[in-house]
Amino acid sequence: DAGVIQSPRHEVTEMGQEVTLRCKPISGHDYLFWYRQTMMRGLELLIYFNNNVPIDDSGMPEDRFSAKMPNASFSTLKIQPSEPRDSAVYFCASSLVTENIQYFGAGTRLSVL
Amino acid sequence: AQKITQTQPGMFVQEKEAVTLDCTYDTSDPSYGLFWYKQPSSGEMIFLIYQGSYDQQNATEGRYSLNFQKARKSANLVISASQLGDSAMYFCAMRGGGSARQLTFGSGTQLTVLP
Repeated sequence: DAGVIQSPRHEVTEMGQEVTLRCKPISGHDYLFWYRQTMMRGLELLIYFNNNVPIDDSGMPEDRFSAKMPNASFSTLKIQPSEPRDSAVYFCASSLVTENIQYFGAGTRLSVL
Repeated sequence: AQKITQTQPGMFVQEKEAVTLDCTYDTSDPSYGLFWYKQPSSGEMIFLIYQGSYDQQNATEGRYSLNFQKARKSANLVISASQLGDSAMYFCAMRGGGSARQLTFGSGTQLTVLP
């Protein structure tokens, strides 16, 4: 399997612009997770989906962040408008309902200038 | 609430030696899972090993083993015969019981293997 695929790998944008991060989970996986990694806060969960339905979005920082999963093979995380404090590495991960292990994508490094 | 504590920001080990990375956790869930992930300088998160709270034996995966001491709430990672390629950041994580699936991560330990 190709693993979890995230795009883009790097994104540089200016404050106020809309940013869309994309994720393709491992085929057949039931759960999809979005995490954010920063020096100050470490790795933290933003939101996760089960069978395309959002289950827990309590980690989403504010209304500027939104996530969707229109089908089992695709998810997006959107930031609008972006701010410099959103600069971080954003990871997508997926897992099977029958397995505890989460498999991570390579991450998207976002820089908001 | 769940909490993972990694008290070693950085560790050094000589190549071919064994090293133990510490992890303690706190949870009120009777059922939980403990994980270790490796993050090399390239940035990806690589799953290493998993231990369930009801597993009777300590988990092992090749050169990795998890020293699980339930009463002490510790889940230390032991890497045997360290290799230069083991130099990376290592994260301990926990998944709570019930229907919650998300992982709570510790702050990580930067391991450097010396030649």
